[in-house]
Amino acid sequence: NAGVTQTPKFQVLKTGQSMTLQCAQDMNHNSMYWYRQDPGMGLRLIYYSASEGTTDKGEVPNGYNVSRLNKREFSLRLESAAPSQTSVYFCASYPGTTFFPRGNSPLHFGNGTRLTVT
Amino acid sequence: KQEVTQIPAALSVPEGENLVLNCSFTDSAIYNLQWFRQDPGKGLTSLLLIQSSQREQTSGRLNASLDKSSGRSTLYIAASQPGDSATYLCAVGGRERDYKLSFGAGTTVTVRA
Repeated sequence: NAGVTQTPKFQVLKTGQSMTLQCAQDMNHNSMYWYRQDPGMGLRLIYYSASEGTTDKGEVPNGYNVSRLNKREFSLRLESAAPSQTSVYFCASYPGTTFFPRGNSPLHFGNGTRLTVT
Repeated sequence: KQEVTQIPAALSVPEGENLVLNCSFTDSAIYNLQWFRQDPGKGLTSLLLIQSSQREQTSGRLNASLDKSSGRSTLYIAASQPGDSATYLCAVGGRERDYKLSFGAGTTVTVRA
């Protein structure tokens, strides 16, 4: 059971370059999330998708775009990377369709993408 | 805005000692609280989830308590083992639709053999 799979695991970009982070889950979950984790800070929500075809901004959406390609896949795009976007990016999924997990099921996380922008 | 704090940021204990990890939050109107474990280079794994109506949850050597009125949760790990070495994060879920799941920065635990 693969759970949540993120690609790539590592990426180095130059300022101004673009890239797409991929996320796929095989648990038939409705909700998917993108978080970033910076040293000394908690995870911060970038975007989320409560169901296929819908996306909403989280706490720190500037500089990012997302696509919920289908129920399984949720991608995060950096159109013009900046050094401030150097971070570890996590994708997560949840069975329900609410904005954040309310029930008894926890979030399921991928192993992260470590992005450095120089 | 919900603020979640975990103190200390790092903790080192000898094997066999009980671990006590603290999480405090500023807004007591929460829906639930989760404790996660994060190993180096890995994602987060859910350990325990406490609903706002509950006082505690237990799983094996782990016990998490919740006191909404004081804005605190504590994760207890009994008889620590080197395999418990990891970063532990708590996350608080608010009640309103626009309320995000707010994470603490985590406590990094080292259990010395």
